[in-house]
Amino acid sequence: AQSVAQPEDQVNVAEGNPLTVKCTYSVSGNPYLFWYVQYPNRGLQFLLKYITGDNLVKGSYGFEAEFNKSQTSFHLKKPSALVSDSALYFCAVRGRGYQLIWGAGTKLIIKP
Amino acid sequence: GAVVSQHPSRVICKSGTSVKIECRSLDFQATTMFWYRQFPKQSLMLMATSNEGSKATYEQGVEKDKFLINHASLTLSTLTVTSAHPEDSSFYICSATLGSTDTQYFGPGTRLTVL
Repeated sequence: AQSVAQPEDQVNVAEGNPLTVKCTYSVSGNPYLFWYVQYPNRGLQFLLKYITGDNLVKGSYGFEAEFNKSQTSFHLKKPSALVSDSALYFCAVRGRGYQLIWGAGTKLIIKP
Repeated sequence: GAVVSQHPSRVICKSGTSVKIECRSLDFQATTMFWYRQFPKQSLMLMATSNEGSKATYEQGVEKDKFLINHASLTLSTLTVTSAHPEDSSFYICSATLGSTDTQYFGPGTRLTVL
């Protein structure tokens, strides 16, 4: 069965430090992977996706993600965190049709 | 580009009444729209997949007679919560896909409170 795991409920990072939000997946075939961000009481905003090509994908707001096929991971990264990056982050993989299978979400807290 | 709107953003209604939530793709034609429900501090739960001009496909456990979905045009889908009860209180989010691309673009969500 296809699934997505975000092993950390919460990640705390000091402002200016690099951040990583982890995601692992389980799919049959080639994965289509996504990262979305959700601010309080808001819908989700698309950050980036991996379909094919370079394993390092660059997205919005300075975020990037690295696709690692051998480790079945798609971790989200940013070299220098901002307080405004504090939000809920979701990893997702494409399931049947255009449906997305969602991770549980990781709350990212950036402390000044 | 790829902006999705939802209306209303918040709604409070009495138990037993029906509430309609609209989801519009503002600058693109959405062949497929999705309706999600999100509980506090939880991930999104897919309720149904809606394709323009055809009946929505509901996920297991979602009552299609209670959550009526209409996708009358390529830019508009509506979700009607019929005979709402307090347990239907939740954050409802829609999304839309751009043709053959895989990216879903999300609306800002609707907070429903049933008294």
